[in-house]
Amino acid sequence: SQQGEEDPQALSIQEGENATMNCSYKTSINNLQWYRQNSGRGLVHLILIRSNEREKHSGRLRVTLDTSKKSSSLLITASRAADTASYFCVNTGNQFYFGTGTSLTVIP
Amino acid sequence: DVKVTQSSRYLVKRTGEKVFLECVQDMDHENMFWYRQDPGLGLRLIYFSYDVKMKEKGDIPEGYSVSREKKERFSLILESASTNQTSMYLCASSDWQPQHFGDGTRLSIL
Repeated sequence: SQQGEEDPQALSIQEGENATMNCSYKTSINNLQWYRQNSGRGLVHLILIRSNEREKHSGRLRVTLDTSKKSSSLLITASRAADTASYFCVNTGNQFYFGTGTSLTVIP
Repeated sequence: DVKVTQSSRYLVKRTGEKVFLECVQDMDHENMFWYRQDPGLGLRLIYFSYDVKMKEKGDIPEGYSVSREKKERFSLILESASTNQTSMYLCASSDWQPQHFGDGTRLSIL
């Protein structure tokens, strides 16, 4: 399959806690992107990490990439209720293939 | 900011009808995409277009066609709607990366 596999499928945390979600591929990773989807809305691009990068930060987001393990993780620090959404990873080399995502619920 | 506008947020149609879903982008992007999203299946690519009047089939083109007469507009057509086409339809555009999505059309076929 060319889709990424996000893990866990669902995650529920308290506001202020950190949320970590993972993405793995069976194919080699080119650049990797993370998107967010609020309920009933379209996807919004969050961050792109290039294949020669190991870690990237954007505000409260931290993304890591391990090309040897074909995996990536997204960490959201100090979560807020507004972070409640589904999160998807996409391998830029297979840009049409979105997985089923991780559904994150942040409880106020 | 890039804006991708889908003509309807919610749409209800009957089996056998010909259904048109419209998508317009305002950033002069070359590429446009149509996906459908179903629970447990993620997003699946129906068609994409990399230029005016050009189109390529995605993973699930059966029962659908597309039209791109102008660069900013990409239409998805359900030739004869069936109940298994009830879904969330998402349009996106890009030059390369990332893709910019519309808010989706939730289509129900009765």
